[in-house]
Amino acid sequence: KQEVTQIPAALSVPEGENLVLNCSFTDSAIYNLQWFRQDPGKGLTSLLLIQSSQREQTSGRLNASLDKSSGRSTLYIAASQPGDSATYLCAYSSNTGKLIFGQGTTLQVKP
Amino acid sequence: DTAVSQTPKYLVTQMGNDKSIKCEQNLGHDTMYWYKQDSKKFLKIMFSYNNKELIINETVPNRFSPKSPDKAHLNLHINSLELGDSAVYFCASSQDAAGRLNTEAFFGQGTRLTVV
Repeated sequence: KQEVTQIPAALSVPEGENLVLNCSFTDSAIYNLQWFRQDPGKGLTSLLLIQSSQREQTSGRLNASLDKSSGRSTLYIAASQPGDSATYLCAYSSNTGKLIFGQGTTLQVKP
Repeated sequence: DTAVSQTPKYLVTQMGNDKSIKCEQNLGHDTMYWYKQDSKKFLKIMFSYNNKELIINETVPNRFSPKSPDKAHLNLHINSLELGDSAVYFCASSQDAAGRLNTEAFFGQGTRLTVV
């Protein structure tokens, strides 16, 4: 069964903290893993894509890692800002091309 | 310049009606998708097309029919709408299809469908 679990489901932190969002998946035959951001009432914005042969990707204050053997990915956000408040979704691409999503971590960064 | 655009953004309709949602991408991608986000915010794929050919058809009622007139467009037609069809529907696209490396997906802003 293809499943993605994201922990925690919700997170509230003061501005400036470094934080880690966790994603675990059961399928070992993934092609890539993608992290998205979803703002309330909005679409999904792609943040980072990690190919199955890669171990991490970085974009600005974001760093995502991938460990296929343990079925885990983490999204590290450095020096969090109120503008980072959103729901963060993890999804992996299977050999059929579809994305299998977790249910997201809702992040609130307080000023 | 919007990469993946959907219309309409909001759709309120009565049970039993037939409605369509349109999607267009200007990224030059070969593959397009429809995803459904339910009331619990869980996203699940419905369909995928590669160069106008259906490649993924998940367990979706026959009332849902995708149509791809060209590789830049993937429309979703829904017949005999039911209350349970209320959800947010997202269109997405990626350069490549299944089994290839460049499958980074880009999503539209979503269409919130409310069936009353």
